Amino acid sequence: DIQMTQSPASLSASLGETVTIECRASEDIYNGLAWYQQKPGKSPQLLIYNANSLHTGVPSRFSGSGSGTQYSLKINSLQSEDVASYFCQQYYDYPWTFGGGTKLELK
Amino acid sequence: QVQLKESGPGLVQTSQTLSLTCTVSGFSLTSYHVSWVRQPPGKGLEWMGRIQSGGSTYYNSALKSRLSISRDTSKSQVFLKMNSLQTEDTAIYYCTRDPAYWGQGTLVTVSS
Repeated sequence: DIQMTQSPASLSASLGETVTIECRASEDIYNGLAWYQQKPGKSPQLLIYNANSLHTGVPSRFSGSGSGTQYSLKINSLQSEDVASYFCQQYYDYPWTFGGGTKLELK
Repeated sequence: QVQLKESGPGLVQTSQTLSLTCTVSGFSLTSYHVSWVRQPPGKGLEWMGRIQSGGSTYYNSALKSRLSISRDTSKSQVFLKMNSLQTEDTAIYYCTRDPAYWGQGTLVTVSS
């Protein structure tokens, strides 16, 4: 199975700051990666698919990049509504797997 | 519009079998794939398995021996059955139309 190592596990940042979350796959996943945002008590919401494609309706301050085994999610100009948990997921190969998650808080 | 809704018992006894139903609307199960994902309270997401539009199924390696996903396309329903439940199976269970559409989730508590 492909293991997804996500870092950091938690992150504290200020409004307007740029935040980066990383995911490392145990093998090449050929951009088969999605990023999700989850707020307390809510279902996960898709942000990015295919590593760098922005899902419809997602603000442009979110962006995804990477290739091979290394991927990242960047949030530019952090807003209060971005406080949430973030998860990466590889869907290149079965079984699909999620990263452990990053809890983003305001400083 | 695309909707998914999970239903099932909120409480299951240990060692028993969990049966959940995902009722979908706004799309056909013969055209789209559906996955099950679970999340223990306060923890991360775990992909459980998927049934593809053609009916093929794929499972989480750790759950494969006790998990089954099936469907009834005429009723627009996807089913999850998992046996030998333990307390660590307590979680919110989601069905999803990969990757963008998720149900609201249903909390299943496993207790003796």
